[in-house]
Amino acid sequence: QKEVEQNSGPLSVPEGAIASLNCTYSDRGSQSFFWYRQYSGKSPELIMSIYSNGDKEDGRFTAQLNKASQYVSLLIRDSQPSDSATYLCAVPDDTGGFKTIFGAGTRLFVKA
Amino acid sequence: SQTIHQWPATLVQPVGSPLSLECTVEGTSNPNLYWYRQAAGRGLQLLFYSVGIGQISSEVPQNLSASRPQDRQFILSSKKLLLSDSGFYLCAWSVGNTGELFFGEGSRLTVL
Repeated sequence: QKEVEQNSGPLSVPEGAIASLNCTYSDRGSQSFFWYRQYSGKSPELIMSIYSNGDKEDGRFTAQLNKASQYVSLLIRDSQPSDSATYLCAVPDDTGGFKTIFGAGTRLFVKA
Repeated sequence: SQTIHQWPATLVQPVGSPLSLECTVEGTSNPNLYWYRQAAGRGLQLLFYSVGIGQISSEVPQNLSASRPQDRQFILSSKKLLLSDSGFYLCAWSVGNTGELFFGEGSRLTVL
């Protein structure tokens, strides 16, 4: 069974700062990695997918993948109070991508 | 575009009562369908997934069951609810083995 580990937080950053969220995974063979954002009381929303080593940027969000070290991170630049949410790291398991294993999530607070 | 609908949004049920949560997906064919549960302050627990009509895989032994009577319909049921069944139930869909999940709005169940 794959495992996905995240620091539960809360992580508190001031508005305008860079928020850095980290995730480690157990299966060295994992190929796909996802970040979901979940606002309090709402359902998760897919915000980033990354498949290759290195960085992938989408607006203020950058996902970083290091397969050798088995970690994936999410950077949020110019953090806004609206970014305050729980961020879930997710990795498909070894059933061919049909099942996804989620980390417990990191709570992020952006202070105005 | 694809949409997913889940209902009811909120329900309060007594212990021992039955349960039926329904989820439908529009705008796509042959989706993979999932039921997740999220207990308060916890991560996402995969309950069931389905890759086709009548094909259900159960992840956690419990008093819940799932059915997929139509290609884009997924139903979560219980004959007798337990207190421990309380939580936020999330239906999700994906296509192929991309691993990307798209969630419905969720159903919040409180068992008293």
